[in-house]
Amino acid sequence: AQTVTQSQPEMSVQEAETVTLSCTYDTSENNYYLFWYKQPPSRQMILVIRQEAYKQQNATENRFSVNFQKAAKSFSLKISDSQLGDTAMYFCAFVQYNFNKFYFGSGTKLNVKP
Amino acid sequence: DTGVSQNPRHKITKRGQNVTFRCDPISEHNRLYWYRQTLGQGPEFLTYFQNEAQLEKSRLLSDRFSAERPKGSFSTLEIQRTEQGDSAMYLCASSLDGNNEQFFGPGTRLTVL
Repeated sequence: AQTVTQSQPEMSVQEAETVTLSCTYDTSENNYYLFWYKQPPSRQMILVIRQEAYKQQNATENRFSVNFQKAAKSFSLKISDSQLGDTAMYFCAFVQYNFNKFYFGSGTKLNVKP
Repeated sequence: DTGVSQNPRHKITKRGQNVTFRCDPISEHNRLYWYRQTLGQGPEFLTYFQNEAQLEKSRLLSDRFSAERPKGSFSTLEIQRTEQGDSAMYLCASSLDGNNEQFFGPGTRLTVL
């Protein structure tokens, strides 16, 4: 079975600074996808960034980037120039290629302070 | 289409009652998923549909739970004889295929008294 671990239950960062959220996963599969989702307070989850395991290049989406280390099974999210609107729960998710079922980590609560 | 919608947003019920939730996915998405999320945890997979076919069910989905997607569009999740342990947020998501982004609805928060 696949497992996803987020070891930081809560983190804080000052506005405009950079923060990195950690995620590790366990799988014996070679083809899979990894995602970071954001869940703002009382609002629905939205996709932040997506990484295909077969791509060596790390995904980037504006202020959000990932550090994907396939051998280490690590998938961290870096948020640059943090904004107050980044305050949310962040979930790391894994899906095996063509298997549909997402596995989520337990989440990291990020507080961006003014 | 404005995204995935779920109704009701909140449901309070007494133990032993039956409840039914509805999910309307994004119209062109043929895959629909149900998750359960408890406080401080990530979503846990319950079941998914490809069109009207229910292709996988988690062991979390006891025989008191049933899900349907009769015409391959909206879906319902019914919980019979609710228990206090069923209290959670029930999330619905849809996608174009199994590898792509799942779009989530706002969820239905169930409280069983």
